Amino acid sequence: GAVVSQHPSRVICKSGTSVKIECRSLDFQATTMFWYRQFPKQSLMLMATSNEGSKATYEQGVEKDKFLINHASLTLSTLTVTSAHPEDSSFYICSARTGVTYEQYFGPGTRLTVT
Amino acid sequence: GENVEQHPSTLSVQEGDSAVIKCTYSDSASNYFPWYKQELGKRPQLIIDIRSNVGEKKDQRIAVTLNKTAKHFSLHITETQPEDSAVYFCAASKAGTASKLTFGTGTRLQVTL
Repeated sequence: GAVVSQHPSRVICKSGTSVKIECRSLDFQATTMFWYRQFPKQSLMLMATSNEGSKATYEQGVEKDKFLINHASLTLSTLTVTSAHPEDSSFYICSARTGVTYEQYFGPGTRLTVT
Repeated sequence: GENVEQHPSTLSVQEGDSAVIKCTYSDSASNYFPWYKQELGKRPQLIIDIRSNVGEKKDQRIAVTLNKTAKHFSLHITETQPEDSAVYFCAASKAGTASKLTFGTGTRLQVTL
């Protein structure tokens, strides 16, 4: 149980375009979902926390107009990187909580490359 | 906000030896401390966690200890095997913040034959 999927696993886009990444909890309802960014050989940095039906809470330094997060249902959250630039190239990972325990279940990640 | 420091950044041990990774946290209200193992290009996998009402927890070759007074916690891996080679992250969170995790900087563990 507690499986989280992400789509796509890899995406290459041109500078200036937008990319949408989906995060789904497959066998549980996720009251809270988190989006992280991980640069090579670095730690996971929390970008934002999203709760179903409400606006996401962004961490300091994360541009909310650039990284649009939508948590429309208890099983789906999306991250849209708008007007992507090469410096946005990174590994984006989502996680989800059931709300019953502290544990977060991580998705497999999305490798974004902006050319 | 919470700040988690992790040491060492790299650790090389021989197969069969023990490995210890240490983390310190800054927010005394933090009460949940998970440890994750991440292989290259893969998702973090929870390997063990501990809550602040417990001082030690063990699961086969893996154990975690927590010292709330000193605000540090450690991961112990005994009888290391080559498949233990990965990057390990500690993290901390507390109730009331949607339990968001603050991660340490990671430790690259290399188990050599």
